[in-house]
Amino acid sequence: KAGVTQTPRYLIKTRGQQVTLSCSPISGHRSVSWYQQTPGQGLQFLFEYFSETQRNKGNFPGRFSGRQFSNSRSEMNVSTLELGDSALYLCASGERAYTDTQYFGPGTRLTVL
Amino acid sequence: DQQVKQNSPSLSVQEGRISILNCDYTNSMFDYFLWYKKYPAEGPTFLISISSIKDKNEDGRFTVFLNKSAKHLSLHIVPSQPGDSAVYFCAARVSGSRLTFGEGTQLTVNP
Repeated sequence: KAGVTQTPRYLIKTRGQQVTLSCSPISGHRSVSWYQQTPGQGLQFLFEYFSETQRNKGNFPGRFSGRQFSNSRSEMNVSTLELGDSALYLCASGERAYTDTQYFGPGTRLTVL
Repeated sequence: DQQVKQNSPSLSVQEGRISILNCDYTNSMFDYFLWYKKYPAEGPTFLISISSIKDKNEDGRFTVFLNKSAKHLSLHIVPSQPGDSAVYFCAARVSGSRLTFGEGTQLTVNP
């Protein structure tokens, strides 16, 4: 099976712009979670989707939003970008809602100038 | 509130020796624990997991130990290899909720 894919892999934006990141889960997986990784901060949970419904949300401002489509693909959007949004954004998929094991994609490296 | 903590940001060991990575948690409701390995510019790779009903799980060179009374989790890698050099994250979950990750430990295995 193909793994989790994320596009684009690298992105450069300027402050105030918005960005959309895409994630395609492993075939058959219906749960998708998003994380932000910054140096020294580990992986910070953004949100988790299952069957097009957001099941969990982390402590991020409303500028961060997401959605999941009927084919389980997911998108994450960040509006009004700030310098502090520069990070590696990781997507993980799992077979079921609240699945015990998640499998990660390679991430999207976002740089905000 | 950092519910999962990896107090050692880095660890260096010699090839062939044992690597021991530690993780402490505060939430006694956590019932599933995982370890992930991450190379630069790649996503984390799942290594091994353990349910709270067990105290040990082994998979090849990797063994995870869980001490629920101490709220402590450890990953043993024996023997360590240079290819094991990576950042290791521990993670924990309350059933029905999201994964919570530690900050990571950079392991360097010297030839």
